[in-house]
Amino acid sequence: EIVLTQSPDTMFLSPGERATVSCRASQSLSSNYIAWYRQKRGQAPSLLIYGASLRAPGTPARFVGSGSGTDFTLSITRLEPEDFAIYYCQQYGFSPFTFGPGTEVGVK
Amino acid sequence: QVQLVESGGGVVQPGKSLRLSCATSGFIFDSYTMHWVRQAPGKGLESVAAVSFDGKNKYYGDFVQGRFTISRASSRNTLYLQMNSLTTEDTAVYFCARGLFTMIQGPSDRWGQGTLVTVSS
Repeated sequence: EIVLTQSPDTMFLSPGERATVSCRASQSLSSNYIAWYRQKRGQAPSLLIYGASLRAPGTPARFVGSGSGTDFTLSITRLEPEDFAIYYCQQYGFSPFTFGPGTEVGVK
Repeated sequence: QVQLVESGGGVVQPGKSLRLSCATSGFIFDSYTMHWVRQAPGKGLESVAAVSFDGKNKYYGDFVQGRFTISRASSRNTLYLQMNSLTTEDTAVYFCARGLFTMIQGPSDRWGQGTLVTVSS
């Protein structure tokens, strides 16, 4: 099973600031099969990014995915109030499709 | 619009069984992979199982160890998860999710609101 680690565990930022979340895989994902989700409190997750850098339909342009191999990054260029939430990466290159432990973006 | 509505959760004793259902609408059910993902209280997301659009390919999380079975009924546009030999570690909200692609390899682009399963004596 591929293990994903995320850093940091938590970050505290202000609206308008930039957030950067990292995701590292225990082995290379040669096809960049990485997705990113946002989960607001009390809600189901929503897909933001797939294929490491492709925005899902409806994902705002402030969400930018990048990376390859074992290291991937989600950047939020300017935080909006609805972006204060938990972010998860997921690999779907190898079954079972595993998730990272999550990164919480909180309000400073 | 796309809708996924889970049902069947509740309180069950350790060692017992439960069947979850996910009724879908607003899309061609037979064209999509479907997933079950769970989230224990205060914890992260965990893939439970997935089934391809035609029901021929399935995978399960390592923790399942033969206890759960995923299935789908195209005539009812419904996804199922049969869970047997439940333990307290299976306590979680179980989400039904639609795969983005026809093939089983892919993320989930639409999610239900989840159904809570509590395993307790």
